Amino acid sequence: DAKTTQPPSMDCAEGRAANLPCNHSTISGNEYVYWYRQIHSQGPQYIIHGLKNNETNEMASLIITEDRKSSTLILPHATLRDTAVYYCIVRARGDSGYALNFGKGTSLLVTP
Amino acid sequence: DSGVTQTPKHLITATGQRVTLRCSPRSGDLSVYWYQQSLDQGLQFLIQYYNGEERAKGNILERFSAQQFPDLHSELNLSSLELGDSALYFCASSVGGQGSSTFFGPGTRLTVL
Repeated sequence: DAKTTQPPSMDCAEGRAANLPCNHSTISGNEYVYWYRQIHSQGPQYIIHGLKNNETNEMASLIITEDRKSSTLILPHATLRDTAVYYCIVRARGDSGYALNFGKGTSLLVTP
Repeated sequence: DSGVTQTPKHLITATGQRVTLRCSPRSGDLSVYWYQQSLDQGLQFLIQYYNGEERAKGNILERFSAQQFPDLHSELNLSSLELGDSALYFCASSVGGQGSSTFFGPGTRLTVL
C-alpha cells in the first residue's frame, strides 16, 4: 500500500466545512483512496472511497487531484459528533479482502 | 450499527489467565480481521481469516491465536496474559471481494490486572 501523510490535528467550527487533506504521492494506478474515522474508543467507521473521480455520499465528499497525489475529505457542515480521528488509507481494489493499514490519522476537533 | 457484533464488551482478568473474544461478521461477509488498539496507540492488525482459512498475519503474538468457524464467526484467544495486553480489540469483516469496504464491530475492552 502507498504511504499517506496527514496533519496530526485540525480544528473546525461547528457548522463550517471541515477539509481534511491527505498526501499520497506514491499512489499507484490501481490504488483507491479510502477514508475511515474513529470516534473515541468506538470501532472505525467507513466514510467514503474513490479512485480518481470526485465522490460524494451522505456523509462526505472526496476530492482527488488530477494527478492523484493528494486528496481532501470534506465534511460539508461539521457537527460536534464529527469530532474523531480520520484515517486516509490507500489500497488496491483487489486488496479489499486484505487488512487496512491505519496510520496516525488526523484528529479533528469540532468546536461550538 | 455496522452489523458486526463482538462479545463481551468488557473483560477484566488477571495476569497469566486466558480469555476468548468472539466476533460475528456481517451477514454474507467471508473475511474477518482482528485488530488491537492499546491506550494512545494506533490500530494494529493482528490476523485475518477468509472463509475459515487463515489469510494474513500481522503483529500477532505467539500467545495469541484465532480461528474462524464454519458459520463464519471468529474467536480470538489470548493466553498467558500480561499487563501490556490491556487494550481494545476490534473485529472487522468484509465480503472479501473487489470494491468492498471493511466494517468494524464495537470492540472488546480487555483489562488485565
